[in-house]
Amino acid sequence: ETGVTQSPTHLIKTRGQQVTLRCSSQSGHNTVSWYQQALGQGPQFIFQYYREEENGRGNFPPRFSGLQFPNYSSELNVNALELDDSALYLCASRTTYTDTQYFGPGTRLTVL
Amino acid sequence: QQQVKQSPQSLIVQKGGIPIINCAYENTAFDYFPWYQQFPGKGPALLIAIRPDVSEKKEGRFTISFNKSAKQFSLHIMDSQPGDSATYFCAVQETSGSRLTFGEGTQLTVNP
Repeated sequence: ETGVTQSPTHLIKTRGQQVTLRCSSQSGHNTVSWYQQALGQGPQFIFQYYREEENGRGNFPPRFSGLQFPNYSSELNVNALELDDSALYLCASRTTYTDTQYFGPGTRLTVL
Repeated sequence: QQQVKQSPQSLIVQKGGIPIINCAYENTAFDYFPWYQQFPGKGPALLIAIRPDVSEKKEGRFTISFNKSAKQFSLHIMDSQPGDSATYFCAVQETSGSRLTFGEGTQLTVNP
């Protein structure tokens, strides 16, 4: 186990709704990244947070947004859910002194 | 533009065999090359990683071979076991950022 936790484990929403996913970083890790993993594909980078600010973003629309809190935990918010948003959402944390990213178990989001 | 190409898509070996998974990348700015292992319903777990200043790295039964001039790297699993059956992802990362770009994955099956 990596020490990165995510909640909830599974979530079912309908198209057009909003969702918030949560991540608790491994102790001492101040950088959090979020990834989307569609079924049968590799994870795709959504964005990264460091010192409570977004400092890198992948090819995702603005309806994907996030927050990082002073204790380094993080949230991923997705507005106006679409069917294609159905995926495993992964959180990864790291320190600024190492390249290694440690992934949580993910949240499985299903959009109906 | 696909920055990381991984092959094969799937691989079946017998117990004790040596599966080899290959990845090719395009951007020479990448300088960190990890391999992740993912079991169904779990987040990716780091197996082994290499930097371009070495051509080979071994950790237990896992070996990375790196060819900087060809912009290719591969994962070898020695004495493979049924418990190694999982999906394997190569990834690339620039030290200046935390964005991991993943390959499409290789589903490995090790038969008893």
